[in-house]
Amino acid sequence: TQTVSQSDAHVTVFEGDSVELRCNYSYGGSIYLSWYIQHHGRGLQFLLKYYSGNPVVQGVNGFKAEFSKSDSSFHLRKASVHWSDSAVYFCAVRLSNYNVLYFGSGTKLTVEP
Amino acid sequence: GALVYQYPRRTICKSGTSMRMECQAVGFQATSVAWYRQSPQKTFELIALSTVNSAIKYEQNFTQEKFPISHPNLSFSSMTVLNAYLEDRGLYLCGARESQNTLYFGAGTRLSVL
Repeated sequence: TQTVSQSDAHVTVFEGDSVELRCNYSYGGSIYLSWYIQHHGRGLQFLLKYYSGNPVVQGVNGFKAEFSKSDSSFHLRKASVHWSDSAVYFCAVRLSNYNVLYFGSGTKLTVEP
Repeated sequence: GALVYQYPRRTICKSGTSMRMECQAVGFQATSVAWYRQSPQKTFELIALSTVNSAIKYEQNFTQEKFPISHPNLSFSSMTVLNAYLEDRGLYLCGARESQNTLYFGAGTRLSVL
């Protein structure tokens, strides 16, 4: 059984701060990891994904994520957040042999002015 | 670019009635389509995965009898919520991909049940 967990339900930072949104997974096989963003009342927007190669993946709007096999993690980071980054962020895992995504519980990021 | 359209965006149905939602892929061939539900304050639950030339695979707690899905070609899929009740309300997302590429999502159909 594979799981993906996001330990922080809510994260609040000030505009200009750096932020890290945590994602851990548990699965022993080959997987794809990705991050999606959901603005209030909207659908999901793809941010970035990792399967192999460079463990640091660059995404849109200055986001990046780093894969760590030893920590079973795929944390999302941004060096300087903007108020428009306020949204719910979902980490997702896809098994290499099964073509669907399983989502974590989401982290609500609030960026205060 | 790759786009996924879902309609209607919002819908309200009476308890016990049924509601059909549609998903259209533009700019790529949707060889597989996954339907998800996000209940209020929850994450996205996978309902089923539909892959062209394969049987539709439903996740535990979701059945074809309740959520019949049609995937007649590489650009279109639809799902019906039969006999909808309060616990069926939420945001229904369609995610489509071509082969092993990135999964692209529509904006969702928000279902309210009276």
